[in-house]
Amino acid sequence: KQEVTQIPAALSVPEGENLVLNCSFTDSAIYNLQWFRQDPGKGLTSLLLIQSSQREQTSGRLNASLDKSSGRSTLYIAASQPGDSATYLCAVRRNTGFQKLVFGTGTRLLVSP
Amino acid sequence: DAGITQSPRYKITETGRQVTLMCHQTWSHSYMFWYRQDLGHGLRLIYYSAAADITDKGEVPDGYVVSRSKTENFPLTLESATRSQTSVYFCASVGDRVNRGYTFGSGTRLTVV
Repeated sequence: KQEVTQIPAALSVPEGENLVLNCSFTDSAIYNLQWFRQDPGKGLTSLLLIQSSQREQTSGRLNASLDKSSGRSTLYIAASQPGDSATYLCAVRRNTGFQKLVFGTGTRLLVSP
Repeated sequence: DAGITQSPRYKITETGRQVTLMCHQTWSHSYMFWYRQDLGHGLRLIYYSAAADITDKGEVPDGYVVSRSKTENFPLTLESATRSQTSVYFCASVGDRVNRGYTFGSGTRLTVV
């Protein structure tokens, strides 16, 4: 059974810091990995999608890497801003059986001005 | 507008009542999903569908019923609502191509009193 873990569960940093969020998964049989952002009381917004054959994806100040063999992904946020405060979720799409998305428990990020 | 929409956004119902949450997508995606999100449990899959008239159970299906007579709609029905079904419900869809990411609706916050 695929299990997805995110560390840390919560993170508080001052504005301007570069930071790394970690995601690990137990089964490397995946099609892709997706990072989402969720603001309080809101839905999930897709940030980055990395295919299993890719090593990284970038969008603006965000960079996500994937090491499928070790079951790890990181989300790097450069020059953090208060507007980055949210919960960040990673999810893997399995390539066995029905291709369900399995979520991690999230990292709650607070960026202070 | 293209996208995935959920209705209602908020719902309060009484224990024992039947309630239906609606989900509509405009992309003709084959796959659709219902998740619930609760503190301490993260996102859990309730039901999913691979196409019209094809549905299957996820992790927490008890007390829920789904149907998919049309590709674009995937309603979730709570047959007899219980307080334990108080939650935020998210609908999602993804296309056939495995290199696509999931898209989520804005969610329905359901309170059972």
